[in-house]
Amino acid sequence: ETLLTQSPGTLSLSPGERATLSCRASQRITSRYLAWYQHKPGQAPRLLIYDASTRTTGIPDRFIGSGSGTDFTLTISRLEPEDFAVYYCQQYGNSPQGTFGPGTVVEIK
Amino acid sequence: QVQLVQSGAEVKKPGSSVKVSCRASGGTFSTYAFSWVRQAPGQGLEWMGRIIPVFGATHFSQKFQDRVTISADESTYTVTMQLSGLRSEDTAFYYCAKDADYSDVTHPNYFDFWGQGTLVTVSS
Repeated sequence: ETLLTQSPGTLSLSPGERATLSCRASQRITSRYLAWYQHKPGQAPRLLIYDASTRTTGIPDRFIGSGSGTDFTLTISRLEPEDFAVYYCQQYGNSPQGTFGPGTVVEIK
Repeated sequence: QVQLVQSGAEVKKPGSSVKVSCRASGGTFSTYAFSWVRQAPGQGLEWMGRIIPVFGATHFSQKFQDRVTISADESTYTVTMQLSGLRSEDTAFYYCAKDADYSDVTHPNYFDFWGQGTLVTVSS
């Protein structure tokens, strides 16, 4: 099973600042099959990015996904108040099943 | 735009079973695959299993395959997950999610729409 680690565990930033979230896999992820989700308490998780760098419909262009192999990054270029949440990466390229990272909390400083 | 609406919170005794339902609206149900993902308190997200209703095909995580059943009713656009042999460690939010692709029930997928989650509490 492919394990994912995310760093940092918590990111304390102010609105307008840049957030850089890391997701590292225990083995190479096939075809860059990595997704990023945003999750706020009491809400459904929301898909932001799939295939490592493709924004899904309706996601602002301040959310940027990059990376390949075992190292992936989600960058939020300028934090808006609504961006403070937990972010999860998920790999779906390696069998037997997709796996999630433990999450990064982006909190208001 | 697909919407997934799940059934309400449940409190169950150890050893019992729970059913959580998920009703889909928007789009074409017959072209969808659905997964169940759970999140225990303080834990990460964990994929449990998947169904492709139009093929009647299911696939489960090895961790849950002896205890979980996933079914679908195409007439009501509803997917249901049943977990048996409940223990305290099964206390979690359970989410249904729509898979981005429905061609292969065994292949991992990402999830483009999610339900709001259902809290299942297992306590004596």
